[in-house]
Formats: sequence, structure tokens, C-alpha cells
Amino acid sequence: DVVMTQTPVSLSVTPGQPASLSCTSSHSLLHSDGRTYLYWYLQKPGQPPQLLIYEVSNRFSGVPDRFIGSGSETDFTLKISRVEAEDVGVYYCMQSMKVPWTFGQGTKVEIK
Amino acid sequence: QITLKESGPTLVKPTQTLTLTCTFSGFSFDTRGVGVGWIRQPPGKALEWLGNIYWNDDRRYIPSLKSRLTITRDTSKNQVVLTLTNMDPVDTATYYCAHRYWGLNFDYWGQGTLVTVSS
Repeated sequence: DVVMTQTPVSLSVTPGQPASLSCTSSHSLLHSDGRTYLYWYLQKPGQPPQLLIYEVSNRFSGVPDRFIGSGSETDFTLKISRVEAEDVGVYYCMQSMKVPWTFGQGTKVEIK
Repeated sequence: QITLKESGPTLVKPTQTLTLTCTFSGFSFDTRGVGVGWIRQPPGKALEWLGNIYWNDDRRYIPSLKSRLTITRDTSKNQVVLTLTNMDPVDTATYYCAHRYWGLNFDYWGQGTLVTVSS
């Protein structure tokens, strides 16, 4: 299985400050079709996950432009340019390059 | 507008079979590239992908559950059904169904349903 490792486990951020979340995969997520199947989700407290970023760097509809995804092959980053109170929750990365699709263990973001 | 909703028992006994239904609206399996996935989350833990069913009735399952897990669809009712046999307390989790369309994996999610396995 492709192992997804997220760091840090938790992050406490002052509103208005940036945050950087890392996700590393045990195998390259670059498919022969040229696409890289790495996704970011945010699970707010008591809610289902919501898609933020698909295929490394594409923001899903309605996602604020302060969320920026980057990376390639095995190393990926989600940056929040200016954290807001509504950004609290657990962020998960997921790969769909190989079955079984796998999620990271999550990074919990809280506000200072 | 795409919506999904999970339904089924909240409590099952060990060794019993779990059947969950995902009822959806706003999309159809007639559309190429459409799929529905099942994902679960034990209390306080991370998400775990279980499997997908696609517009062409292709199915993919997590190998660790493949002998126990079946995902089917009823296109006339706009439903996807998850069946998990021989339930164990470790299967206690919130079960989600989610929509996907080509590279947009899990862009819409149901609210989830908590299933507890206990005698």
C-alpha cells in the first residue's frame, strides 16, 4: 500500500499568519497519464470532510485562494497564506494513484 | 446540486452483516466518469477508503476487506449499497459515501452514519 505521512501532527496558528502542512507518499503519485493524484481535505469538527485541493494544486469550487497546494511525485505541501478562524480542523491528504486509496493520519490545525 | 445521504442500522452485533445505503441526487451513473466511494472513520481516528463503484459498474475494494465487502448499485433508485459481513467491534466507525467524477475524487460527501458493533 502507498503510505501517506503527514507532518506536523498538530499546528497552532495565530489568525492572519501562514501555515504549512506537509504530506509525503511512499510511492510516486505521478501517473503515466501525466496527472498526479494527490488530494487535500479539511474535516471541520463534527462535519464530513470537504475537498479543498485536487491533483496537487487545483482548488475545488468555492475554496478560498488562501489555500495553495504544491509538490510533485512524493512530496506535497498545503499552504494557508493567512489562517482564519474557520480553517480549524483536521487536514488529510489522500492518494488515488494506486488501490487501495490511502489517507494520511491528518494534521490538526487550531487557532492560538 | 449533488447530495448524498447514508442510512442503515446504528448498532450491529458481532458476526452480523452490515448493510448501508447511500441515496443520492444531482448526478447519475449514466454519466461517464461518475463514481461513488465509501470511506469510514473510527471514532477519533483517520479516514479509511473502503471502495468505489463506477459508472461502468467497475468496482475497486480495499484488499484487507475484499473477502467481506461488497458494493452494489441500484440505478433506478439512485442508490449505492455497502455490505460488510462478519462485523467485528473494530468495524465501529462513521461510514461515509462520497461522489467522484473523473479526477475530482470525493468532491461531495454525505453526512455519515455512525455504526457501532457491540453485543
